[in-house]
Amino acid sequence: AQTVTQSQPEMSVQEAETVTLSCTYDTSESDYYLFWYKQPPSRQMILVIRQEAYKQQNATENRFSVNFQKAAKSFSLKISDSQLGDAAMYFCAYRPKETSGSRLTFGEGTQLTVNP
Amino acid sequence: GAVVSQHPSRVICKSGTSVKIECRSLDFQATTMFWYRQFPKQSLMLMATSNEGSKATYEQGVEKDKFLINHASLTLSTLTVTSAHPEDSSFYICSATGEHNSPLHFGNGTRLTVT
Repeated sequence: AQTVTQSQPEMSVQEAETVTLSCTYDTSESDYYLFWYKQPPSRQMILVIRQEAYKQQNATENRFSVNFQKAAKSFSLKISDSQLGDAAMYFCAYRPKETSGSRLTFGEGTQLTVNP
Repeated sequence: GAVVSQHPSRVICKSGTSVKIECRSLDFQATTMFWYRQFPKQSLMLMATSNEGSKATYEQGVEKDKFLINHASLTLSTLTVTSAHPEDSSFYICSATGEHNSPLHFGNGTRLTVT
């Protein structure tokens, strides 16, 4: 079974600084998707970034980028120029690339605090 | 972009009553819907997977007679918490996906409080 591990229950960063959230996963599949979701206090799930495992290039979305190390099964999220609005719970998630209806497996989450 | 509407956003009910939560895909056909439960400061726990027109598949430890899931159409799935008790108080979130491993979209969640 696939598992996703986030070893940092809490992280903090100063506004405008950079922070990296860690995520490791376990799978026997060779192709799959990885995601980072943000959950602010409203509890809405917001997709931050998505990576396809067969793509070697790390995904980037504005201030958010990932460091995808397939062999190490590591998928960390880097937030640059942190803003107060980045404060939230962040979840790493894995999804197999099946034909249809595949599920997300979430990590335990990392609570990010941004200090002004 | 694709939208999933979940209703109600908040509900308070008395112990022993049943509560229905709806999850609708507004602009795509949701062949598969997932129901999650989330306790404060914890991750999302998958409760069940429902495919349109067939019975839901429940995760281990989830009582199917307690949490009734119906996915009768390609745009609507419902979760009914039957004979609710205070320990059922939680945040419930649905997500939906279409054919061919298309992206997953989340509803905004329902905060259930059982008094």
